[in-house]
Amino acid sequence: DIQMTQSPSSLSASVGDRLTITCRASQSISSYVNWYQQKPGKAPEVLIYATSTLQGGVPSRFSGSGSGTDFSLTISSLQPEDIATYYCQQSYSPPLTFGGGTRVEIK
Amino acid sequence: QVQLQESGPGLVKPSQTLSLTCKVSGGSISTGTYYWTWIRQPAGKGLEWIGRVYTSGTTDYNPSLKSRVTISLDTSRNQFSLRLSYLTAADTAVYYCAREWGGSTWYNWFDPWGQGTPVTVSS
Repeated sequence: DIQMTQSPSSLSASVGDRLTITCRASQSISSYVNWYQQKPGKAPEVLIYATSTLQGGVPSRFSGSGSGTDFSLTISSLQPEDIATYYCQQSYSPPLTFGGGTRVEIK
Repeated sequence: QVQLQESGPGLVKPSQTLSLTCKVSGGSISTGTYYWTWIRQPAGKGLEWIGRVYTSGTTDYNPSLKSRVTISLDTSRNQFSLRLSYLTAADTAVYYCAREWGGSTWYNWFDPWGQGTPVTVSS
C-alpha cells in the first residue's frame, strides 16, 4: 500500500495568512494526488486534482504543487470559510489511500 | 448533475452483515468511465477507502477488508451497494459513497460524494 503522510496534523493561523500543508507519499506517484476539504458534519469535496488543477468553483487562493513523492497545498490568504480539515489522496494505485488530515483553525 | 444518496440501517449488531445502498440520480451508473466507490470515516478520524466497482462490474477492494466486502451494481435501479460481513465495533463509522472519475484526463478523483450515513455496530 502507498502511505500518505500529511503534516501538520493541525494548525492555527490568522485571517489573511499564507499557509502550506504538505503530503509525502511512500513511493513515487507522479502527479496522482488530489486534495479535499471537509467541513464539520459534511462530506469531503475535491479542491484540487492531478496535483495542481483547481476544481471548478474553487477560489484561486488555493493552489497545489509537487511531483514524485512530495506535494503541497497552499492557501495564499486564509479566509474564515476555509476552516476545515484538508486531506490529500493518492490515485496512483489501489488501495487508494488518504493522508491523515490537517485541521485548520483561525487564531 | 450527478447526485448520490446513501441509505441503510443506522445500527447493526456485532457479527452481522451491513448492507448499504447508494442511489445515483442525474446519470447512469452503467455508462461512462466511472468507478463507484465506498469510503468510510470513524468519528474524529480520517478517511478509509473500502473499494469500488467499475461500470463494467469489475471490483477492487482494500486488502484490509477484502475478505469481508462485496460491492455490486444494480443497473435496473441505478444504484450500487456495499455488503460488509462479520461486523465489529471497529466498523462503526460514517459511510460515504462517491463517484471516482477523471473526465478526459488520465487522472481520477472522487466527485461527487453522498452526504454520508452513520453506522453504529453495537449489541
